[in-house]
Amino acid sequence: DAGVIQSPRHEVTEMGQEVTLRCKPISGHNSLFWYRQTMMRGLELLIYFNNNVPIDDSGMPEDRFSAKMPNASFSTLKIQPSEPRDSAVYFCASSFGTGAAEQYFGPGTRLTVT
Amino acid sequence: DQQVKQNSPSLSVQEGRISILNCDYTNSMFDYFLWYKKYPAEGPTFLISISSIKDKNEDGRFTVFLNKSAKHLSLHIVPSQPGDSAVYFCAVTNFGNEKLTFGTGTRLTIIP
Repeated sequence: DAGVIQSPRHEVTEMGQEVTLRCKPISGHNSLFWYRQTMMRGLELLIYFNNNVPIDDSGMPEDRFSAKMPNASFSTLKIQPSEPRDSAVYFCASSFGTGAAEQYFGPGTRLTVT
Repeated sequence: DQQVKQNSPSLSVQEGRISILNCDYTNSMFDYFLWYKKYPAEGPTFLISISSIKDKNEDGRFTVFLNKSAKHLSLHIVPSQPGDSAVYFCAVTNFGNEKLTFGTGTRLTIIP
């Protein structure tokens, strides 16, 4: 299996622009997670989906952030408008089953907002 | 409010010696604990876990210890190898809950 695929790997954009991050989970996995990594806060869960349905979005920082999962093999995280403080590494992860299942992470997208 | 704290941002250990990484959590309701390892430019990968019914779990060179009364978790690596140089995150959850809460990470450097 190819593992979790994220694109782009790097994104540099100007403040105010829209940014869309993409994720393809491992085939057969039914849960998908979006995380943000910063030096100060470590890995923060932004939102997670189970069977394509958002379950917990309490970590989404503001209305500028939105996430969708239109089908089992694709999810997007959108930031509009972007701000310099959104600069971070964004990870997507997927897992199979319920309970404290092991999560498989993608390589991340490094976002820089200037 | 950080529910999970890794108070050492970095740690350097001589190759062959023991590495001890620490993690403290605030909520005694958590009952499942995990360690993830992260290399540069890669996503974190699962390393080892422990449930609250145990106080120790071993997997090769890696052992996780849980002290429930102190709400403290530690990861021991022995002997340490250069390939162990990475950032280590602890994570906590409740069994049956998919949501993990991660610490801020500890960067381990193994000195040859």
